Amino acid sequence: NAGVTQTPKFRVLKTGQSMTLLCAQDMNHEYMYWYRQDPGMGLRLIHYSVGEGTTAKGEVPDGYNVSRLKKQNFLLGLESAAPSQTSVYFCASRWTSGRILQETQYFGPGTRLLVL
Amino acid sequence: AQSVTQLGSHVSVSEGALVLLRCNYSSSVPPYLFWYVQYPNQGLQLLLKYTTGATLVKGINGFEAEFKKSETSFHLTKPSAHMSDAAEYFCALNTGGFKTIFGAGTRLFVKA
Repeated sequence: NAGVTQTPKFRVLKTGQSMTLLCAQDMNHEYMYWYRQDPGMGLRLIHYSVGEGTTAKGEVPDGYNVSRLKKQNFLLGLESAAPSQTSVYFCASRWTSGRILQETQYFGPGTRLLVL
Repeated sequence: AQSVTQLGSHVSVSEGALVLLRCNYSSSVPPYLFWYVQYPNQGLQLLLKYTTGATLVKGINGFEAEFKKSETSFHLTKPSAHMSDAAEYFCALNTGGFKTIFGAGTRLFVKA
């Protein structure tokens, strides 16, 4: 049981390049999240998904797109990277017990992205 | 609107000293409150959580937190700091929905 995994661990991009960050969880969790972490700002929600085939915007969605084609995977895309997207990106998941969403989130190890 | 405020972006203690990390929250409905810990180059791990019931919550590694509704606080404490406690700590709030609100984080330094 690997929990939540993220690939890649680290990436350097040039302005304007595109890339996709992959999050995978093997816990059969319904909810998945993408956050960015910046110094002094805690974690800010980019996008989230409440189940396979669904996505929704969080508080800082501009410049990002997501897809949840399979329940276990949640992809975060940057179509045209900007220096302001330099950050550490975390994926997280939550499970439901019956129809009740459990409150604890399980986090991946993060992806460090540097945009030059 | 809900919010979480962590007082102090950096806290430094000596090994063996009391650890106190402060968290205040704002919520119009009863909150679920969490402390997560992040060790260098790792993701966040749940330290402890308050949902309902007993207001003093014990977590892993000797940490505990007390939910004080009258003070809208959920401060994290540990009686005796260890070098391995050096990390960043995040207070977080959830009101039963999909979204969890995180504080800005407090980095704990432990001096030998």
